[in-house]
Amino acid sequence: NAGVTQTPKFQVLKTGQSMTLQCAQDMNHEYMSWYRQDPGMGLRLIHYSVGAGITDQGEVPNGYNVSRSTTEDFPLRLLSAAPSQTSVYFCASRLRGAITEAFFGQGTRLTVV
Amino acid sequence: GESVGLHLPTLSVQEGDNSIINCAYSNSASDYFIWYKQESGKGPQFIIDIRSNMDKRQGQRVTVLLNKTVKHLSLQIAATQPGDSAVYFCAERPNTGTASKLTFGTGTRLQVTL
Repeated sequence: NAGVTQTPKFQVLKTGQSMTLQCAQDMNHEYMSWYRQDPGMGLRLIHYSVGAGITDQGEVPNGYNVSRSTTEDFPLRLLSAAPSQTSVYFCASRLRGAITEAFFGQGTRLTVV
Repeated sequence: GESVGLHLPTLSVQEGDNSIINCAYSNSASDYFIWYKQESGKGPQFIIDIRSNMDKRQGQRVTVLLNKTVKHLSLQIAATQPGDSAVYFCAERPNTGTASKLTFGTGTRLQVTL
């Protein structure tokens, strides 16, 4: 049981490049979400999904796209990277009725130059 | 590597002492409050939660206290150990609705000295 797996762990992009951050969970959790973590700020919700085929925007969705074709996978796409997207990104999952996002991935540290 | 800012409030505690980490929350309508621990280079890890109809909840070596009158949450760690060194976040959530979202605080860094 691997929990929540994120890849890559580190990434450097040039402004304007695109990339996909991968997130997979093997716990059959319905709810998955993406957060970014910036210095001096709490985790902020980017996008979330309550099940396969269903996604919605969080607090800071601009510049990011998501899809949820399977229960296991929830990739986050940056279409045209900007320096403001330099951050640490965390994927999380939980059962639909759970109170907390009890399972987080290890994070992806992204730098956009 | 560091996963949070350089200017977090820091609590320095000697090994074996008790730690108290505080958090002020903003939404008086929040129904659930959660504490997370984040070690350097890792994702947040759930510690304990408490519902708004409770004042206190205990776990293994940890106790969470909730004061709704002043919108204050605290995490007490008994007999602090070096492995407790981390950043601790509180979070609040309005309800258990499917799309109910967590709002996170900025965190407190706990340093355990030997």
